[in-house]
Amino acid sequence: DTGVSQDPRHKITKRGQNVTFRCDPISEHNRLYWYRQTLGQGPEFLTYFQNEAQLEKSRLLSDRFSAERPKGSFSTLEIQRTEQGDSAMYLCASSEQGGAREKLFFGSGTQLSVL
Amino acid sequence: AQSVTQPDIHITVSEGASLELRCNYSYGATPYLFWYVQSPGQGLQLLLKYFSGDTLVQGIKGFEAEFKRSQSSFNLRKPSVHWSDAAEYFCAVGGTGGGNKLTFGTGTQLKVEL
Repeated sequence: DTGVSQDPRHKITKRGQNVTFRCDPISEHNRLYWYRQTLGQGPEFLTYFQNEAQLEKSRLLSDRFSAERPKGSFSTLEIQRTEQGDSAMYLCASSEQGGAREKLFFGSGTQLSVL
Repeated sequence: AQSVTQPDIHITVSEGASLELRCNYSYGATPYLFWYVQSPGQGLQLLLKYFSGDTLVQGIKGFEAEFKRSQSSFNLRKPSVHWSDAAEYFCAVGGTGGGNKLTFGTGTQLKVEL
């Protein structure tokens, strides 16, 4: 069990550029979540997948954001035409499907800075 | 809509002293309640979780939390704090039907004085 892995750890980009982040969940975990955390705030739910199906998206996820999990393993989160307000830590988590006993394992996150 | 309030942004305690971090939630039904800890450069780690049964929940690292429905609270406690407990602590609430789609509080930063 190598844990949830996120790449890159840090990303600096200019406003208007597109960025893509990757998340590798714990193997055999069929649920994968994306959260966003801004400075001084708790994480906010963005979206989650069960296997390759995207089951829910937050209203926080504007049309510039898209997430995929094509083979039910790793996931990517793309932000198009980045804005300064997108600067945040993007957290990925995975879990085994399991009702009340479901437990999330978080990665260390990707810190995005939009200049 | 569900929400979580952590009224203390910063707390400082001496090593060996007891700790209580406050959490109040708003949720229309029986909630799932969580406490997570986040150290610098690290991901969130689950300390404990309440979903049913005994209202006093034991977690890892010597932490416990008590669910009080009448007060809509889920306070985290530890009888004796260690310097390694210095971190940010987040309380979260989730619904019974939505997997782990969680709503987090704004966090409490714990500082431990030696």
